[in-house]
Amino acid sequence: DTGVSQNPRHKITKRGQNVTFRCDPISEHNRLYWYRQTLGQGPEFLTYFQNEAQLEKSRLLSDRFSAERPKGSFSTLEIQRTEQGDSAMYLCASSLPRGNNEQFFGPGTRLTVL
Amino acid sequence: KQEVTQIPAALSVPEGENLVLNCSFTDSAIYNLQWFRQDPGKGLTSLLLIQSSQREQTSGRLNASLDKSSGRSTLYIAASQPGDSATYLCAVDPYMEYGNKLVFGAGTILRVKS
Repeated sequence: DTGVSQNPRHKITKRGQNVTFRCDPISEHNRLYWYRQTLGQGPEFLTYFQNEAQLEKSRLLSDRFSAERPKGSFSTLEIQRTEQGDSAMYLCASSLPRGNNEQFFGPGTRLTVL
Repeated sequence: KQEVTQIPAALSVPEGENLVLNCSFTDSAIYNLQWFRQDPGKGLTSLLLIQSSQREQTSGRLNASLDKSSGRSTLYIAASQPGDSATYLCAVDPYMEYGNKLVFGAGTILRVKS
């Protein structure tokens, strides 16, 4: 399967711990997006990469959040000093820069902060 | 600021019924509109993408329409089946110089009863 993959699929952590998620986009897709989805809501944009450059960050992304995309391939999203309010589904998507910019989503990482 | 609203929030229908899901958006300056399906605890599956210059798109039993001037889109599902039970999300792709972060509605939870 050459779709978007995310790891881990589930993460349970205690408040105050750091967590890191990984996203592998579809090969040849140079745009990569992170979204966060809480229960009963639609996903909300967090940040966006074109190749290795992080071009936009939402105000939702506090200074405890950091995202990287070294070498323009996979991306990581780290949350430091987790809080219970960080509990959510973290979704990654990728797209090509040309054409209709259709975004393809991964299965998500479900984070539970106790 | 672009806002997306989906009505109804939940819908329960008997198997075989045709149904319509509604999506409205506040800013007509969009690049495209995507409809997604999300099963419980899973990622998003793209169903249909309508570019801003198009009026509708069809895939199997699904038909999506777009009226940019009025800020509305509908997703028509013909001959509904229990396997169609899921949350359906509408997302608009605003026209931006860099990136195309999607703005989502909260979704419509569909239950098709056998």
